[in-house]
Amino acid sequence: AQSVTQLDSQVPVFEEAPVELRCNYSSSVSVYLFWYVQYPNQGLQLLLKYLSGSTLVKGINGFEAEFNKSQTSFHLRKPSVHISDTAEYFCAVRQTGANNLFFGTGTRLTVIP
Amino acid sequence: DAGVTQSPTHLIKTRGQHVTLRCSPISGHKSVSWYQQVLGQGPQFIFQYYEKEERGRGNFPDRFSARQFPNYSSELNVNALLLGDSALYLCASSLADRSNEQFFGPGTRLTVL
Repeated sequence: AQSVTQLDSQVPVFEEAPVELRCNYSSSVSVYLFWYVQYPNQGLQLLLKYLSGSTLVKGINGFEAEFNKSQTSFHLRKPSVHISDTAEYFCAVRQTGANNLFFGTGTRLTVIP
Repeated sequence: DAGVTQSPTHLIKTRGQHVTLRCSPISGHKSVSWYQQVLGQGPQFIFQYYEKEERGRGNFPDRFSARQFPNYSSELNVNALLLGDSALYLCASSLADRSNEQFFGPGTRLTVL
């Protein structure tokens, strides 16, 4: 069994401030980890992914995430947010050898001018 | 290049009716997955097809079915619609069976009255 927990359903942050969106997972087998962004009335866009290697992963739009195996976490960070970062962010896992993604419930990031 | 396309964009049905949703993957992609995203939740995996064969199925009732055509496009069918089937239905395509990147379409918003 696997599960993904996004601890914060909503995160408001002022423009140009840093932000961290938290994600914890549990799985009995090895997993790959992903962060997706969903803008209003759109599908999902891949921000970044961790497959293996360096635990610090850099993605698009200035986002990065760090895989922490001991804490089973994959938190998403950005040092300075923009208004355009306002969106819903989803953490997802895929078990190695499986086909499908398993998503968390999402975190709504609102950037305040 | 065109991304993943889905039709229709919006659909309103009544309880007990049947619905067919369509998806065209990115050119060259042979795998299509379907996800249901209920308002306020993360997407949930329904089906995955690769080379016209079902490769994965989520925890959904038999009212849900799908198929993939020789041109790799796909249809999702839902019979005997329930109010709880109201959701955004997302299609994702990828190059291969267990690909590490899925590209999502904009979704079909289904409302069941």
